[in-house]
Formats: sequence, structure tokens, C-alpha cells
Amino acid sequence: QKEVEQNSGPLSVPEGAIASLNCTYSDRVSQSFFWYRQYSGKSPELIMSIYSNGDKEDGRFTAQLNKASQYVSLLIRDSQPSDSATYLCAAETDDKIIFGKGTRLHILP
Amino acid sequence: DAGVTQSPTHLIKTRGQHVTLRCSPISGHKSVSWYQQVLGQGPQFIFQYYEKEERGRGNFPDRFSARQFPNYSSELNVNALLLGDSALYLCASSLEWADNEQFFGPGTRLTVL
Repeated sequence: QKEVEQNSGPLSVPEGAIASLNCTYSDRVSQSFFWYRQYSGKSPELIMSIYSNGDKEDGRFTAQLNKASQYVSLLIRDSQPSDSATYLCAAETDDKIIFGKGTRLHILP
Repeated sequence: DAGVTQSPTHLIKTRGQHVTLRCSPISGHKSVSWYQQVLGQGPQFIFQYYEKEERGRGNFPDRFSARQFPNYSSELNVNALLLGDSALYLCASSLEWADNEQFFGPGTRLTVL
């Protein structure tokens, strides 16, 4: 069964530091990868999509993709208390999107 | 611009009953996907519809069905509800079937007693 794996956390990061979130996926042919943020009691919100090996930056967020290692990561620079949420990694496989269980991130003021 | 809308926001049913959940995609989006999310888990794919046709189905029993209307809105139906069907049901829309950037609605919280 094709899977997306994430450490459930919680990951605690001091305010202003860099938060690093990691994800691995099992389907070698996956081409599209996504990071979603989900606040407690709310629905997921798309943060980043990445399709090519390397880095993709958007504001304080950087997504990194390494297809050879089947590894995706999300870096959050200058972490803010409002970044405290669950971060979901997702991969396209067999024409559907598979989500990981999410990593809970806690930014310490 | 309005995002994805879902109704109702909350629903309480008893075992054996039937439920219909509704979703309206972002204007211009033609594809709708349905997900089930239980506490502590990521969303689990149920269905994807595009141009009124089912384009993908997840590992859910036949009690789950869906359809898409000419205006691209969609319904998810669940028959013979079980306690384990209690979850947040999420609808996501995307521009085209092959466009994997999906945008979620607020969800419907279903509780089965």
C-alpha cells in the first residue's frame, strides 16, 4: 500500500527559529507533492506545492524535494506562534492525493 | 471570491441512518474530491469527480457514493451509518482533473450515535 510517512510530533521550536518538517513517500512515480497547514478544528489550507527536485521558496516557507530519496521537507523561517498547527504532507499517486498523518508543530513564545 | 462551501457544518445521526453531504467548488473549478478525516489522522481519499464522472475511488465500502451535478457541485451519500463513520468530511476542489492543487472547504462534522 502506497504511503506518506510523517513524524507525528509534537515538534517544539522557539519563536524566531527555523522549523523543519520532514516527509517520506513510498510511490517512486509520484510527481506532485504538497504541504498543507491545519489548525485545530479547521480544514487543511494549501501552503506549498512542489513538482521538481530542489528547493521552492514562498515567503517564510521553503519546500524541498528529493525524488531519489523519496523525501520532501518544509522549512519555516522566523517561526511565529501563529505557525503552531498540524502540517500535512501529501503526494499524488495513482491519480489521487495521499496524505500523511501530519506533524504537530508548536512554536514556543 | 467565495471558496469551497460545504453544508451542513455539523450533523448528528444514529446508526443505520442515511446522510447526504453537499459541496460547492470554487467558481471555475471543475473537479471535486471527497475526503474523510478522523481525529489524529490525515484526510483519507474517498472519491474524485470531474465533469460529472467518477475519476477515482478510495478504499471505502459501497455504502459510500457520490455524484457531481452540471454546475460542478457535488453530494456525498453514506448509507447504513456505522459508529466508525463519525469523522470530518472534507470536500476539495481543483481546476481540472489533472490539477492536483486542491483547496478544501470547511468540512462537515458527522457524529454517528
